Amino acid sequence: DTGVSQDPRHKITKRGQNVTFRCDPISEHNRLYWYRQTLGQGPEFLTYFQNEAQLEKSRLLSDRFSAERPKGSFSTLEIQRTEQGDSAMYLCASSLGGANTGELFFGEGSRLTVL
Amino acid sequence: GIQVEQSPPDLILQEGANSTLRCNFSDSVNNLQWFHQNPWGQLINLFYIPSGTKQNGRLSATTVATERYSLLYISSSQTTDSGVYFCAVERHYGQNFVFGPGTRLSVLP
Repeated sequence: DTGVSQDPRHKITKRGQNVTFRCDPISEHNRLYWYRQTLGQGPEFLTYFQNEAQLEKSRLLSDRFSAERPKGSFSTLEIQRTEQGDSAMYLCASSLGGANTGELFFGEGSRLTVL
Repeated sequence: GIQVEQSPPDLILQEGANSTLRCNFSDSVNNLQWFHQNPWGQLINLFYIPSGTKQNGRLSATTVATERYSLLYISSSQTTDSGVYFCAVERHYGQNFVFGPGTRLSVLP
């Protein structure tokens, strides 16, 4: 069991550029979540998938943000036309949802810095 | 939406001391987890505890769902326990987990 992996771990970009983060969940986990965390705050929910279906999106997820999970395996989170306020740690988690939601397991995160 | 509060916000201990961290939530919940965020930012699972009591080494947790709170006990603290402790709750099955603001723990040698 290799755990949740995220790539890249760090990304520095200039304002206005597009960035994409990838998350590979624990194999056989059907639920995948994206959270964002800024300094000194708790993680804030962005969106989650059950298999390939995106079931919930936060109001934090502006139209510059898009997430996909093709084939219900890995997921990507893309931010278009980045702004300095997008600087944060982007966290991915997965769980084995069934009769219950199951325990969340997080990856190491992708830290974004927008200059 | 559901509100999650954690107390205290900051805690400084001498190595070997015991501590209790509290998580209050404003409505009934389907699930609750405790996490430790290490200095590198990774969230480490401590307990998956929607109700009842669990123990894992020097750590234990109790959730009293009917009274809408959970407690995390750390005994004989070590410097490696330093970091931020978060509780996260799921209001209904199939919803997202909402995190509290965290308790920042510093254990001094």
